[in-house]
Amino acid sequence: DIQMTQSPSSLSASVGDRVTITCRASQDIRKDLGWFQQKPGRAPKRLIYTASHLQSGVPSRFSGSGSGTEFTLTINGLQPEDFATYYCLQHNSPPFTFGPGTKVDIK
Amino acid sequence: EVQLVQSGAEVKKPGESLRISCQGFGYRFSNYWINWVRQVPGKGLEWMGTIDPADSNVKYNPSFQAHVTISDDKSISTAYLQWTSLKASDTAIYYCARYFTFDYWGQGTPVTVSS
Repeated sequence: DIQMTQSPSSLSASVGDRVTITCRASQDIRKDLGWFQQKPGRAPKRLIYTASHLQSGVPSRFSGSGSGTEFTLTINGLQPEDFATYYCLQHNSPPFTFGPGTKVDIK
Repeated sequence: EVQLVQSGAEVKKPGESLRISCQGFGYRFSNYWINWVRQVPGKGLEWMGTIDPADSNVKYNPSFQAHVTISDDKSISTAYLQWTSLKASDTAIYYCARYFTFDYWGQGTPVTVSS
């Protein structure tokens, strides 16, 4: 099975900050990775697909990069509505696996 | 507009059976896999398995394969997740999500298993 790790597991940031979250895969997954945002009591929402493509309707302050085993989600100019938990997901090879999540809260 | 609409919250006792559902709207159901994802309260997301409605072929996560069954009914654009004997450890929110890229998600079905 492909293992996914995320760092950091949590972070505190202020409105306007630039935030970077890293996801690493235990083996090459090409660009078969998505990023998801989840707020308390809500279903996850896809932000980025195929590592770097922005989901329609998602603000352009979100961006993704990477391929192979290392991937990054960047939020440029954190907004109040961005405080949430973020997960990566590899869909290269079943069983598909999510990272453990990164909780972004208010400093 | 694409929507996945899941069945409502369930409260069950250990040993009981359960089937929850996920109905697709606004797209051709047969063209897109449906995934099931578990979230234990306060924890992360776990992929349980996927069904391809085109041929009802199912891929399971080995961690869940012995305990659940995934099925579908194309005539009503609905996928199902089923247990024959629930355990307290099945208490979780269950989400369905479309396609291998998980582009659309259902609202979640909370399942509580308690004696």
